[in-house]
Amino acid sequence: AQSVTQLDSQVPVFEEAPVELRCNYSSSVSVYLFWYVQYPNQGLQLLLKYLSGSTLVKGINGFEAEFNKSQTSFHLRKPSVHISDTAEYFCAASFNAGKSTFGDGTTLTVKP
Amino acid sequence: DTAVSQTPKYLVTQMGNDKSIKCEQNLGHDTMYWYKQDSKKFLKIMFSYNNKELIINETVPNRFSPKSPDKAHLNLHINSLELGDSAVYFCASSPQPGHYGYTFGSGTRLTVV
Repeated sequence: AQSVTQLDSQVPVFEEAPVELRCNYSSSVSVYLFWYVQYPNQGLQLLLKYLSGSTLVKGINGFEAEFNKSQTSFHLRKPSVHISDTAEYFCAASFNAGKSTFGDGTTLTVKP
Repeated sequence: DTAVSQTPKYLVTQMGNDKSIKCEQNLGHDTMYWYKQDSKKFLKIMFSYNNKELIINETVPNRFSPKSPDKAHLNLHINSLELGDSAVYFCASSPQPGHYGYTFGSGTRLTVV
């Protein structure tokens, strides 16, 4: 079965510290991967995507993610977080044409 | 100019009523989606249209009926609302199905009392 698993439901971190939000996927077919951010009471915003090519992809707001096919992972990283990065983060995968399957989300809380 | 706009933003209604949510995108995308986000923030796809044609219809009660009058609009009509329908409903669009990121609307928070 094709699925997306976000390994941490909550990640607390202090301001200016690095952060990694973990995402694994399960698929027997080609996969396209995405990270989205959702600020309180807002819709989701695309942070970055992996379609093909370089396994390290850079997105908005200083985030980057690395596609690792052997480990079936697509972890999101930021070297130094800000208070304003506090939000819900969703990993998503498209296994075939037509829809994206979303993980259950990771709540990132950046503390001063 | 909002790329994907949903109306209304908030909707409070009684059980048994019928209500509609409207969505419009000005991005020129061919594909539009409805997602439901529950109180635990889990996102689940409900429907998808590509150029006015229904291409995804997940296991959703038939009280929910989508309609796409043109590729820029996707509406969601809900009959006989139930308490369990309370959620945030998101509209999204993408250039084509599948391998593109989505642009989401800001959501419609539906509360059934």
